[in-house]
Amino acid sequence: KAGVTQTPRYLIKTRGQQVTLSCSPISGHRSVSWYQQTPGQGLQFLFEYFSETQRNKGNFPGRFSGRQFSNSRSEMNVSTLELGDSALYLCASSYIAGESTDTQYFGPGTRLTVL
Amino acid sequence: QKEVEQNSGPLSVPEGAIASLNCTYSDRVSQSFFWYRQYSGKSPELIMSIYSNGDKEDGRFTAQLNKASQYVSLLIRDSQPSDSATYLCAVVDTGRRALTFGSGTRLQVQP
Repeated sequence: KAGVTQTPRYLIKTRGQQVTLSCSPISGHRSVSWYQQTPGQGLQFLFEYFSETQRNKGNFPGRFSGRQFSNSRSEMNVSTLELGDSALYLCASSYIAGESTDTQYFGPGTRLTVL
Repeated sequence: QKEVEQNSGPLSVPEGAIASLNCTYSDRVSQSFFWYRQYSGKSPELIMSIYSNGDKEDGRFTAQLNKASQYVSLLIRDSQPSDSATYLCAVVDTGRRALTFGSGTRLQVQP
């Protein structure tokens, strides 16, 4: 079974621009979560989508947004980029069974550099 | 503030030894616990999950959970140089269904 895929793998943008990152979950997985990883803050939760609905959101400004499509693929968008947005953005998918929180499997990530 | 604490290391062990990685968490209602391994420049890879008090073994890896002490650990037996990586402890935030990660422990296995 193919793993989580993310595109693009690397991205260079300048301050003030916006960026869209894409994530395709493992086949059959319906939940997609996004995380930001930086050397200073570590891995931080951005948001989670399930059935095209954002169920949970982390403590990030409104410049960070996302969506999920009917095929469970997800995109996240960052508008008005700042230097501090340079990070590895990770997507994780999980198969939701009942009320349990199932294991999250991570994609390879998108390395975003803001100049 | 819900937190997950790990010693940043590096933890250095000789090849063939047992590496012991520790993690404490502050949220008493946390139910699910995970250990991920992350090689430099790569994404986190799941090693173990544990939900109940006690030990859970998978090959060379053993996860231990003590909810009363809010403590979870990972033992790696017969450590290999290929085990050299950063090990991330993660706890599920039951309110948000999100993983809260520790800062990771860097393990170095010396040949």
